[in-house]
Amino acid sequence: KAGVTQTPRYLIKTRGQQVTLSCSPISGHRSVSWYQQTPGQGLQFLFEYFSETQRNKGNFPGRFSGRQFSNSRSEMNVSTLELGDSALYLCASSPVRSQETQYFGPGTRLLVL
Amino acid sequence: QKEVEQDPGPLSVPEGAIVSLNCTYSNSAFQYFMWYRQYSRKGPELLMYTYSSGNKEDGRFTAQVDKSSKYISLFIRDSQPSDSATYLCAMSRRTGGGNKLTFGTGTQLKVEL
Repeated sequence: KAGVTQTPRYLIKTRGQQVTLSCSPISGHRSVSWYQQTPGQGLQFLFEYFSETQRNKGNFPGRFSGRQFSNSRSEMNVSTLELGDSALYLCASSPVRSQETQYFGPGTRLLVL
Repeated sequence: QKEVEQDPGPLSVPEGAIVSLNCTYSNSAFQYFMWYRQYSRKGPELLMYTYSSGNKEDGRFTAQVDKSSKYISLFIRDSQPSDSATYLCAMSRRTGGGNKLTFGTGTQLKVEL
């Protein structure tokens, strides 16, 4: 089975711009979660989607948003980028029968200049 | 105080040594406990998953959970240079029908020849 895929892998943006990241889960997985990883804060939960509905949300400002499509693919959007948004953004998917186990993609490395 | 505490290391051991990695946590609601391995510039890879207290073994890896002490451990036997990576503990509890992982900051491990 193919793993979680994320596109693009690398991205450079400037302050004030917006960005959209994409995630394709493992086939058959319906839950998709997003995390931000930085050297200072580590891995922090952004939000989780299941069957196109947001089930959980972390403590991030409203500039961070996401959505999930009927094929379980997910996108996250960050508007009005700030320098502090530079991070590795990780997507993880979970099987329905074992939703506690999350399998991560390689991440999208975002640099905001 | 963070919900999950993990010594960041770095931890350097000789090849063949037994490695002990640990995390403590403060939230007694955590039910699921995971260990992830993350190589440089890659996404986290799920190594071990346990539910509630007890031990679980998989090859050279053993995970232990002591809920009464709020303490979890990962032991690596016969460590190899290929085990050199950052090891992240993660925990979760069911919220709103889904799961949100709370991570430790990660311990950087180097296994030397």
